[in-house]
Amino acid sequence: NAGVTQTPKFRVLKTGQSMTLLCAQDMNHEYMYWYRQDPGMGLRLIHYSVGEGTTAKGEVPDGYNVSRLKKQNFLLGLESAAPSQTSVYFCASRQTSGARNEQFFGPGTRLTVL
Amino acid sequence: AQSVSQHNHHVILSEAASLELGCNYSYGGTVNLFWYVQYPGQHLQLLLKYFSGDPLVKGIKGFEAEFIKSKFSFNLRKPSVQWSDTAEYFCAVNAGGGSNYKLTFGKGTLLTVNP
Repeated sequence: NAGVTQTPKFRVLKTGQSMTLLCAQDMNHEYMYWYRQDPGMGLRLIHYSVGEGTTAKGEVPDGYNVSRLKKQNFLLGLESAAPSQTSVYFCASRQTSGARNEQFFGPGTRLTVL
Repeated sequence: AQSVSQHNHHVILSEAASLELGCNYSYGGTVNLFWYVQYPGQHLQLLLKYFSGDPLVKGIKGFEAEFIKSKFSFNLRKPSVQWSDTAEYFCAVNAGGGSNYKLTFGKGTLLTVNP
């Protein structure tokens, strides 16, 4: 049981390039989330999904798109990367029912945009 | 919109000292509260959580937190810290239930424990 995994672990992009970050979970969780973590800012929610085929905007969605074509995968896309998107990106998932369930986090992807 | 404040940006302690990290949230209704820890180079892990009942909750590694509703606070405590507790600590709130269970995080407190 791998939990939540993210690929890649590191990536360097040039301004204007595009890329997709992959998050996968093997816990059969319905809910999945993408966060970015910046120094002194904590974690901020980019987009989230409450089930296969559904996505919604979080706190800082601009410049990102997401897709949830399969229940176990949640993709985060950057169409035209900007230096302001240099960050560490974390994916998380949680079970459907019950407010008592916490979010489980992946190991993160460190992205640098030059 | 809900918000979470962690008042201490960086706390430096010696081993065996007692720890208290502050967390305050702004939401008047029902809340679910969490403390997560991030060790250097690692992902976030859950320390403890509060949903209802006894306002004093115990978590892993000797940590505990007390929910004080009247003060909108959920402070994290540990009676005696160890060098291995060096990490960044995040308080998070899910306010009002709802069907998306989104978390709002504080900005984090970096704890450095000197041996």
